[in-house]
Amino acid sequence: AQSVSQHNHHVILSEAASLELGCNYSYGGTVNLFWYVQYPGQHLQLLLKYFSGDPLVKGIKGFEAEFIKSKFSFNLRKPSVQWSDTAEYFCAVNAENYGQNFVFGPGTRLSVLP
Amino acid sequence: GAGVSQSPSNKVTEKGKDVELRCDPISGHTALYWYRQRLGQGLEFLIYFQGNSAPDKSGLPSDRFSAERTGESVSTLTIQRTQQEDSAVYLCASSAGTARTSEAFFGQGTRLTVV
Repeated sequence: AQSVSQHNHHVILSEAASLELGCNYSYGGTVNLFWYVQYPGQHLQLLLKYFSGDPLVKGIKGFEAEFIKSKFSFNLRKPSVQWSDTAEYFCAVNAENYGQNFVFGPGTRLSVLP
Repeated sequence: GAGVSQSPSNKVTEKGKDVELRCDPISGHTALYWYRQRLGQGLEFLIYFQGNSAPDKSGLPSDRFSAERTGESVSTLTIQRTQQEDSAVYLCASSAGTARTSEAFFGQGTRLTVV
C-alpha cells in the first residue's frame, strides 16, 4: 500500500545534540514533500517544503531536509537541538499521481532534555 | 481572517447524537482539507475541497460522515450517530493552491469526545 513512514516513534536527545528524523514514502512519480511540527498545545506549523530544485531544503528554526529520490526519503535534520524543539514532527507527502491531498506519516515525538 | 479558525474547540457528545464541526479557512484559499487525528496517531485524511470542483471524499470512513463547503468559504463536517471510535481531534486546513504548489495551513482543531 502507498504510505509515508517515519522511522522513530519517540526520540530523546540532550540539548546541543544533532538530530535526524527519518521519513520514507512509497509513491512513484513526482512528489511534493513537507515537514510539519506541532508544539505542545499548538496547531501544526510548516517547517519546510520541497517542490522542485535543490534537494537540500532549509526551513525555519535551523531545520533542513534532504530529498533523496533514489531512496524515497526526505529526512529532517538539525545540527544542534534546543529544549524548545520538543514537539511532534510529521512528514507529509503529496504524490501527484495519487491525488490532491497530503498524506501524513505517523509522527515522531522529540523530547529534548535541558 | 489571519489563520484557519475551527469551532468548537472542544465537543463532548453522547453516543448516537449528531455533531457538526465548523471550519473558517484563510480568506482567499481555494483548497480546504479535513483530517482526523486519533490519540497518539498520525493524521488521517477525510475530505478535500478545491474551489467549485467536486470534493474528494475518498477518506471518509463511513456514510455517517459528510462535509459541505459553499464556494471558497466556510466548511462544516457532520458526523451522524456518533460512535466512541469517532473520538479524535478533527483538523481543518486550507491552502492557496493545490498540494502540488502550496502548503496547508492548519487550524487548532476540534477535540471530539463521544461518551
